[in-house]
Amino acid sequence: DVKVTQSSRYLVKRTGEKVFLECVQDMDHENMFWYRQDPGLGLRLIYFSYDVKMKEKGDIPEGYSVSREKKERFSLILESASTNQTSMYLCASSPRTGANEQYFGPGTRLTVT
Amino acid sequence: GENVEQHPSTLSVQEGDSAVIKCTYSDSASNYFPWYKQELGKRPQLIIDIRSNVGEKKDQRIAVTLNKTAKHFSLHITETQPEDSAVYFCAGVYNFNKFYFGSGTKLNVKP
Repeated sequence: DVKVTQSSRYLVKRTGEKVFLECVQDMDHENMFWYRQDPGLGLRLIYFSYDVKMKEKGDIPEGYSVSREKKERFSLILESASTNQTSMYLCASSPRTGANEQYFGPGTRLTVT
Repeated sequence: GENVEQHPSTLSVQEGDSAVIKCTYSDSASNYFPWYKQELGKRPQLIIDIRSNVGEKKDQRIAVTLNKTAKHFSLHITETQPEDSAVYFCAGVYNFNKFYFGSGTKLNVKP
């Protein structure tokens, strides 16, 4: 059974703080993804990674960066949090071979005040 | 890049009725179309998917149809039950596992 875990379910940070969101998967998946979910906007891709130390920008990368030092771990970094980054953040992973199901983590509800 | 549009944004049906959610996509290179269900407070989970070489796929009460010419695909749920109430997302997959999700449909099944 695939397990994708995220470091926090709820997080409250102040404007200007540096924020780290961690995601870990235990299925040896090559691909990992970070999305943000906002009402009426669906799931929007921030960044994805298809291998260790590899990353590609998604549709809304501004204000975010990522790190993938180990295959099982993919971190999302908000360099200087702003109130418009208040959102639900979802991590997902999938195997590389062809188009495959993405397995999602439980999400982190981030509030920036 | 790909653009996936999903309609309706909300859908309310009576228990036992059918529900249909429709999505359109823009890029003819997309070749995989999954549907995810997200119950309140939970993570999205895959419920059914279809690949571009297939026109229809069915799994018990749910089915998905794909019209490649018109670039649209639909989710059909028959004999709806209260536990079908959730937000449903469609996606078009393009260029090496890059998922483009629709904006979601909140389905409410009234007992």
